[in-house]
Amino acid sequence: AQSVTQLGSHVSVSEGALVLLRCNYSSSVPPYLFWYVQYPNQGLQLLLKYTSAATLVKGINGFEAEFKKSETSFHLTKPSAHMSDAAEYFCAVSDAGGTSYGKLTFGQGTILTVHP
Amino acid sequence: NAGVTQTPKFQVLKTGQSMTLQCAQDMNHEYMSWYRQDPGMGLRLIHYSVGAGITDQGEVPNGYNVSRSTTEDFPLRLLSAAPSQTSVYFCASANTGELFFGEGSRLTVL
Repeated sequence: AQSVTQLGSHVSVSEGALVLLRCNYSSSVPPYLFWYVQYPNQGLQLLLKYTSAATLVKGINGFEAEFKKSETSFHLTKPSAHMSDAAEYFCAVSDAGGTSYGKLTFGQGTILTVHP
Repeated sequence: NAGVTQTPKFQVLKTGQSMTLQCAQDMNHEYMSWYRQDPGMGLRLIHYSVGAGITDQGEVPNGYNVSRSTTEDFPLRLLSAAPSQTSVYFCASANTGELFFGEGSRLTVL
């Protein structure tokens, strides 16, 4: 069985500061890993994905994440926060054969607040 | 470019009533799924389908039925609504690399 743990249900940063959202996963098979963002009253939008190619993955809106197998982590970072980054972020995992079946296991979510 | 369309966006039911949440996608994706989102619990998979005529259970299937008669449509049925089914429901379709979500259906069961 797969699982995802997001450390910190709420993260608060100042505008211009580093954003770091933590995600650890558990999987018995090589994983595919994803970060999604959800703005209020909207669906989820894919930020970036790791599918066993480069371990450092760049996504939209200046976000990136690094897959570290030894630490079973896939933390999301952005060098400089913008007010528009305020949203809820979800980390998700599937097995390498599961992606196309829509069978993702999601973490609990982290709400990012950005202060002026 | 509609993507994944869910209806209705809001619904209030009484305990014991039945209803169907509709989901349609126009991207010709074989794979579709339903998730529910509850505060502090992320999204949990209810049912999924890998193609027309094929469905399977996810993590929390009890109280829900699905069918997939066409590639485009994947309705979710609540046969006898319970307050525990108060939630936001998301339909999604997938290609080989990305899950595309609808905007959600907020259901309240009184």
